[in-house]
Parts: sequence; C-alpha cells; structure tokens
Amino acid sequence: DAKTTQPPSMDCAEGRAANLPCNHSTISGNEYVYWYRQIHSQGPQYIIHGLKNNETNEMASLIITEDRKSSTLILPHATLRDTAVYYCIVRVHTGANSKLTFGKGITLSVRP
Amino acid sequence: EAQVTQNPRYLITVTGKKLTVTCSQNMNHEYMSWYRQDPGLGLRQIYYSMNVEVTDKGDVPEGYKVSRKEKRNFPLILESPSPNQTSLYFCASSLRIMNTEAFFGQGTRLTVV
Repeated sequence: DAKTTQPPSMDCAEGRAANLPCNHSTISGNEYVYWYRQIHSQGPQYIIHGLKNNETNEMASLIITEDRKSSTLILPHATLRDTAVYYCIVRVHTGANSKLTFGKGITLSVRP
Repeated sequence: EAQVTQNPRYLITVTGKKLTVTCSQNMNHEYMSWYRQDPGLGLRQIYYSMNVEVTDKGDVPEGYKVSRKEKRNFPLILESPSPNQTSLYFCASSLRIMNTEAFFGQGTRLTVV
C-alpha cells in the first residue's frame, strides 16, 4: 500500500485559501490520489481525486507534483464550514477490493 | 437525492444480543463496504461486496457478518456483540471498484454494554 503523510493540523483565516499538503512518495503509477473530509463524526465526504494532472471541481483544486510524490489540496475561499479532518488517500486496488485506507488526516481549523 | 442510508443512527445494546445495522443506497452502485472508526485507529474496513451475492472480508471481519441479496442493501450483522465492537460504523458505496468516488452513510454509533 502506498502510504500518505500529512501534518496533523493547520489553520487558516476565513475567506483565504487553504493549502493542505500530502506526501505519498511510494505511490505507484496506476494509483490515484483521493481527498475526503470528515466533519465532526459525520460520514466522510468525497472531495476530489486525480492521477497526475491537476484537477478542479466546485469544491477544490488538486495539484499533483510531476513526480507524483506529493500533492496539495486547495480550498480557494475557506469558510467556517470547511473546518474538518481532511484525509489524503492513495486508492489501493487489491484483487477484487479497492478499499480506502484512512490515516490520521489533517485537522483544518478555519478561524473567523 | 443520491444517498446512503444507515439505520439506526444510535444503538445501545447488551452483550450477546444479535443486532443488524441496515445500509441502503439508491444509486445502483455495485461496490459497497462497511467500515468502523475508533479513536486513534482511523477507519478500518470490515467487509465489502463487489455485487449481489459477492462479499468478502476486509481488515477486521471477526465478529461480523454481511449479506448482499439485493444490489441496494448491504446489512451488517453482529450475531453476538461484545463490548470491543463498540464503535462508529459507516457504510459506503461506489459505482465501480476503481477510481470512483465513495458515498458514505451518516454513521451508526453502537455501544455494547
């Protein structure tokens, strides 16, 4: 399994961009990088995923380095409701199972 | 609205009393799975299902059973619950196995006394 490393926490001011880093130095060529978030104890919520190109959707942007060893999730205008634990996950496909392996994630605190 | 629905949301039960946590999705997804979340251990996969009548063990299957008789439903069964199964449980579904987003239910907080 390709492992991910994230700092334990960070904060940002409301309205500013939040840049959440993730290292995945052992990622293999066919593994995708996924980001999920979990607000309090609710079910995790999908944010975005990518293979090697940068991706953008209505929630966020994902920037993946050329060597694919790290990525950054960008929330362009953070709001208080974005306060959550954000998980960077490399999707494993083992046989018939493609489970999501959640690490500790990074706790983002958005301050007013 | 596309969703994964779990019931009940909260449950307190006694050791040894069989229980079932239901999970239903309305998106015609093939792949479904169950996770448990415990402090300091993150989310761990219990069981998964690739399609109807196809299920297999995840990382922590001991003490649990599942079934997939219909595509939309994937119940989690605890035949004889024990206190170490006190946890927050999540059901998830996705359209296919690879490279699709997973939708999670809102969770079931189970306490076994």
